[in-house]
Amino acid sequence: QKEVEQDPGPLSVPEGAIVSLNCTYSNSAFQYFMWYRQYSRKGPELLMYTYSSGNKEDGRFTAQVDKSSKYISLFIRDSQPSDSATYLCAPRATDSWGKLQFGAGTQVVVTP
Amino acid sequence: ETGVTQSPTHLIKTRGQQVTLRCSSQSGHNTVSWYQQALGQGPQFIFQYYREEENGRGNFPPRFSGLQFPNYSSELNVNALELDDSALYLCASSGGTRTMNTEAFFGQGTRLTVV
Repeated sequence: QKEVEQDPGPLSVPEGAIVSLNCTYSNSAFQYFMWYRQYSRKGPELLMYTYSSGNKEDGRFTAQVDKSSKYISLFIRDSQPSDSATYLCAPRATDSWGKLQFGAGTQVVVTP
Repeated sequence: ETGVTQSPTHLIKTRGQQVTLRCSSQSGHNTVSWYQQALGQGPQFIFQYYREEENGRGNFPPRFSGLQFPNYSSELNVNALELDDSALYLCASSGGTRTMNTEAFFGQGTRLTVV
């Protein structure tokens, strides 16, 4: 069993819809939960992160963590075609940003 | 742009050959991490270098090796290339200490194809 599981998609939604992305993980030591966005032919870029359980909102993006069920979510409101990308969850246990455990990534396609 | 540059952008090698990939870290960063991203998969951690010393390694065989230079740029070397080594190789640079880094910024990657 992989430490981080993520549905690879693709997930196709119409412009303006809410995108819902999820990850599950097995390592109880994970404390930080990152979401990265990766456009085609580019490296991943940090979208947002949370520490421990709870919600965090940043503009159109909301991250949720439920450590009791080991479940991570990312919601994108009012989705735009520019949101079309692969979204990678990356929980980590330590303060080392460099040693990340990524999920497989979910490809999102927002159609105009 | 993240300030992390990788070269070359694309590379084609034959099975059994050796390859060297390069990464220039962001100014002020002392840590470089390397990842392998196979098609349709998330990046997999290969190893990390902090101030010229290896500081952690993922589940990769010894034919994957690296170096970090005094200016904190880094190389990833892969010997005896196999077809499964075909992937996007990403480097990420960060600052901080050995155990507590700052946010990692990724380069655009080197696409390696082994034929």
